Amino acid sequence: QQQVKQSPQSLIVQKGGISIINCAYENTAFDYFPWYQQFPGKGPALLIAIRPDVSEKKEGRFTISFNKSAKQFSLHIMDSQPGDSATYFCAARGTYKYIFGTGTRLKVLA
Amino acid sequence: GAGVSQSPSNKVTEKGKDVELRCDPISGHTALYWYRQSLGQGLEFLIYFQGNSAPDKSGLPSDRFSAERTGGSVSTLTIQRTQQEDSAVYLCASSSDYNSPLHFGNGTRLTVT
Repeated sequence: QQQVKQSPQSLIVQKGGISIINCAYENTAFDYFPWYQQFPGKGPALLIAIRPDVSEKKEGRFTISFNKSAKQFSLHIMDSQPGDSATYFCAARGTYKYIFGTGTRLKVLA
Repeated sequence: GAGVSQSPSNKVTEKGKDVELRCDPISGHTALYWYRQSLGQGLEFLIYFQGNSAPDKSGLPSDRFSAERTGGSVSTLTIQRTQQEDSAVYLCASSSDYNSPLHFGNGTRLTVT
C-alpha cells in the first residue's frame, strides 16, 4: 500500500514530441505528489508538484494530470528537448516520508 | 553554498569496515531525510529527522545502520560492518518544514569491495 508504481522504465522521444510518464498509488492518505528530475551524478531536483484536490497543473512545458478516483497521475513534457534527457521520479507524500517511483529514463533524440 | 552538501562524494571501503556519511542541510531547514538509491531502483526511504529527533526510522535496513542529527543541523549516517549489498548512492534532503518541497544533495556514492 506504500508503493508508487511508475511506468515506463525508459522512454525515447523525438525532439519536439510529447513525453508521458505514468504513476499509480494505493494509499489514499498521500497528500502531495511531486515530480523530480535527476541528471547523472546529481541529486533529484523538484520539477513540478500537485495536491490531490487539483486535476491538472501546468508550468511551462511540464503538466501534471491527476486522477484521484483512479489513484493515478502523470507527467507530460510538451515539445521535448534533448536537454530534458534525464531520469524522472514521481513521488507521493505520506506521514514523515515521501515514497518514490522506480524512475523513468528519458532520452530525447535531437 | 546555499544547497544541501554531502560528504564525501565518493567512498570506497572494504567489506566489514564502518563508514560515516555526512549531510549539511540548507541553513534553517528543520526537516532532514536520508534516502538510498541503488542502480536501477527508486529512492528508498531510510530515516526522517524533525529537528534532532527521528520520528520515523522505519526505513533503516538493519541494526548496522544508524543516524543522528545534532544542533538541528548536520546529520551523520553510520553503517557498521559494511556489506557489498550496502553499495549504493546515499542521498540527503532537507526542507524548511513538512509542507515544503525537498531539496536534495548530490549524494555519496558508497562502494563496498
